Amino acid sequence: TQLLEQSPQFLSIQEGENLTVYCNSSSVFSSLQWYRQEPGEGPVLLVTVVTGGEVKKLKRLTFQFGDARKDSSLHITAAQPGDTGLYLCAGEGGSGGSNYKLTFGKGTLLTVNP
Amino acid sequence: DSGVTQTPKHLITATGQRVTLRCSPRSGDLSVYWYQQSLDQGLQFLIQYYNGEERAKGNILERFSAQQFPDLHSELNLSSLELGDSALYFCASSRGPTSLGYTFGSGTRLTVV
Repeated sequence: TQLLEQSPQFLSIQEGENLTVYCNSSSVFSSLQWYRQEPGEGPVLLVTVVTGGEVKKLKRLTFQFGDARKDSSLHITAAQPGDTGLYLCAGEGGSGGSNYKLTFGKGTLLTVNP
Repeated sequence: DSGVTQTPKHLITATGQRVTLRCSPRSGDLSVYWYQQSLDQGLQFLIQYYNGEERAKGNILERFSAQQFPDLHSELNLSSLELGDSALYFCASSRGPTSLGYTFGSGTRLTVV
């Protein structure tokens, strides 16, 4: 069973602060994706990383894929209330033989207070 | 609007009953995935169809079944419902059999009373 562990589980910060959330696994993934989910809605894809060591930037969000393709991080600079939501990481493929489905972590619930 | 349409949005039913959830994938997408989301388990993969064929199976209960039709829409059938089946059920789609990103629908919230 491939598990993706996300930390922290909950994060409450003030507007303007920086934060990092982590996604770790003992399995190697062919790609890793980050999603954001708002209440009552489905997850929305933010980014996909496929190469070990890859760094992608999306405005104030920076995503990094670990060299060994087992872990990832999401860093948000100068957080805004609109960043509030559940951040989910998901791994595709991997050493467990699950070639076609995404395995999701349980998420980090981020609240950015004005 | 993500392009993935799920109906109904909300469903309340009694234990022992059977329900059908419907999903229309985004135009051009051939894969459909079903996920169950609960507070304690997070998003759990149920099943994937690609171009009408079952492609991968997760922890889907025997009481649950799904299919993908020639027009690529999919249905998830849940029978002999139990209280513990109450959850959000999401459908997602992607272009091919594997994907570098899913497009999710807005989900169906199922409440079993």
